[in-house]
Amino acid sequence: EADIYQTPRYLVIGTGKKITLECSQTMGHDKMYWYQQDPGMELHLIHYSYGVNSTEKGDLSSESTVSRIRTEHFPLTLESARPSHTSQYLCASSEWDGSYEQYFGPGTRLTVT
Amino acid sequence: KNQVEQSPQSLIILEGKNCTLQCNYTVSPFSNLRWYKQDTGRGPVSLTIMTFSENTKSNGRYTATLDADTKQSSLHITASQLSDSASYICVVSAGQFYFGTGTSLTVIP
Repeated sequence: EADIYQTPRYLVIGTGKKITLECSQTMGHDKMYWYQQDPGMELHLIHYSYGVNSTEKGDLSSESTVSRIRTEHFPLTLESARPSHTSQYLCASSEWDGSYEQYFGPGTRLTVT
Repeated sequence: KNQVEQSPQSLIILEGKNCTLQCNYTVSPFSNLRWYKQDTGRGPVSLTIMTFSENTKSNGRYTATLDADTKQSSLHITASQLSDSASYICVVSAGQFYFGTGTSLTVIP
């Protein structure tokens, strides 16, 4: 069982609200990732981090931002939620070497009304 | 272009039957290949991981094969159970992770 957690698991929020999706891991992994996944579709990388104070944008353009102040914590923030942000957001972590396994959190299902 | 393609896109089988899922990739240089199981509304969970030199790896009723020459992998599920209903995702690692679109498996009684 992977020690990576996401909160909230489900969130319904109105348009224009600011939201932060939390992700934390207790494995001491340097690399962390955020993916967006629509139902029945593939995962798209939106942000990743190599370690503390490192953040990079992924392949899929996103209006969200991330921060990495502590190794174990990698929150994702949407300043102004829109219905197009409705999706599932998955957080993952891995050791520094890309050959190691990614461990995924349970995901946050976000609905913006 | 680095790509990972999976087939079939979806599959329905009877409980107790076997099935095989396919993964073809063009990712290079190759580091390893993983198969993940993703239940609806959950995060993916690793089933197997295979490096370049490995041809077969088993995890209970799941057996993965890898042909690094043809860049093909398969996941064979034996004696399927209702709990096997999920999406199965092939992920190839080459410094970064390349995800397939997944195969949606439904096991019916």
